[in-house]
Amino acid sequence: KNEVEQSPQNLTAQEGEFITINCSYSVGISALHWLQQHPGGGIVSLFMLSSGKKKHGRLIATINIQEKHSSLHITASHPRDSAVYICAVRFGNEKLTFGTGTRLTIIP
Amino acid sequence: NAGVTQTPKFRILKIGQSMTLQCTQDMNHNYMYWYRQDPGMGLKLIYYSVGAGITDKGEVPNGYNVSRSTTEDFPLRLELAAPSQTSVYFCASGRGANYGYTFGSGTRLTVV
Repeated sequence: KNEVEQSPQNLTAQEGEFITINCSYSVGISALHWLQQHPGGGIVSLFMLSSGKKKHGRLIATINIQEKHSSLHITASHPRDSAVYICAVRFGNEKLTFGTGTRLTIIP
Repeated sequence: NAGVTQTPKFRILKIGQSMTLQCTQDMNHNYMYWYRQDPGMGLKLIYYSVGAGITDKGEVPNGYNVSRSTTEDFPLRLELAAPSQTSVYFCASGRGANYGYTFGSGTRLTVV
């Protein structure tokens, strides 16, 4: 069965800390997406990657195809980074399968 | 550019009523999707479309219908609303299967 698991489910950290959110999947994929869902509910696409690493500002996404694992890192975290971060995976030609999300809270 | 526009933002329906959730995008994207998000669950695909005149079922299509008469619009129709359809609904669009998605702001629907 094609599955996506995220960890941790909840993460609370102090402002300035380095944050890591993990995503593991069960079988080979063609692409992996990281999304951010704000407290108001809106969803923003952060990254799409199929190999290697991508960086945008303080956000870094990596993927290890052999280990079927991706990480989303946030450097110098800030309270405005508080959100739910969602991993979504495309298994082959199938539609996206979504993880249940990691709720991140950054305390000033 | 407005991106993906969903209306309404909130709606309360009585059991058995019908309604249409509207979704419009102005980015000329061929691919459009409807998802529902239930508490503690990942987004589930209801229906999708790869272009005008083409629609297909996702994981959870029962109780819903869609149409895609134009590239811009992808309305989701709920017939005979049931409490199980209480959820937050998101419309999304993209250029293709291996491109990023743009999401609408969501519609919070409650069926009582």
